[in-house]
Amino acid sequence: QVQLVESGGGVVQPGGSLRLSCEASGFTFSSHGLHWVRQAPGKGLEWVAFIRYDGSKNYYADSVKGRFTISRDNSKNTLYLQMNSLRTEDTAIYYCAKVPDSGEPHWGQGTLVIVSS
Amino acid sequence: EIVLTQSPATLSLFPGERVTLSCRASQSITSYLAWYQQKPGQAPRLLIYGVSNRATGIPARFSGSGSGTDFTLTITSLEPEDFALYYCQHHVNWPPGLTFGGGTKVEIK
Repeated sequence: QVQLVESGGGVVQPGGSLRLSCEASGFTFSSHGLHWVRQAPGKGLEWVAFIRYDGSKNYYADSVKGRFTISRDNSKNTLYLQMNSLRTEDTAIYYCAKVPDSGEPHWGQGTLVIVSS
Repeated sequence: EIVLTQSPATLSLFPGERVTLSCRASQSITSYLAWYQQKPGQAPRLLIYGVSNRATGIPARFSGSGSGTDFTLTITSLEPEDFALYYCQHHVNWPPGLTFGGGTKVEIK
């Protein structure tokens, strides 16, 4: 079965950096594009970034463009989100998600990022 | 940019009632429409994908329908565990991304 397990969250000061990871199993990792989605406390869901199956193209929400970088290592079945210049408004639970053109989407359980001084 | 609008924001209902949640798109969209349920402290749980396909393990009381700009999630008879927040989500092909509705909270009356 498909499993997505996020890690790397924690508490960081404004202006700091953090790298999130998402380890995948149960499907052919190198054949699927993947997303990061976040949810701030008490708020709705917000799409953050997408990476193509081969890592050749990335797309970002305007709110994180220039600060966040999505990447992947297909040899390790792992997705990453490098977050730089963090702001208090980046505080959220971050989910990785596999949302195919056809077939069932899958999400991880999320990792919490708190940006606070 | 496609915007998804969910209505109403909150519904107060009794267990056993039938409920229909609405998700309206700002322009006609394809079949990439999914519904999620979320309870406090939990990750979103996939209910429906591709407009009307129930996800693995989802009870038959949940169903999805719609086309064009209007989509609905129906729960035929509310169980106590169904009181939660519900989101619709569209999968955008170009540029790639996901859009979400603002959510509808189904609460116990």
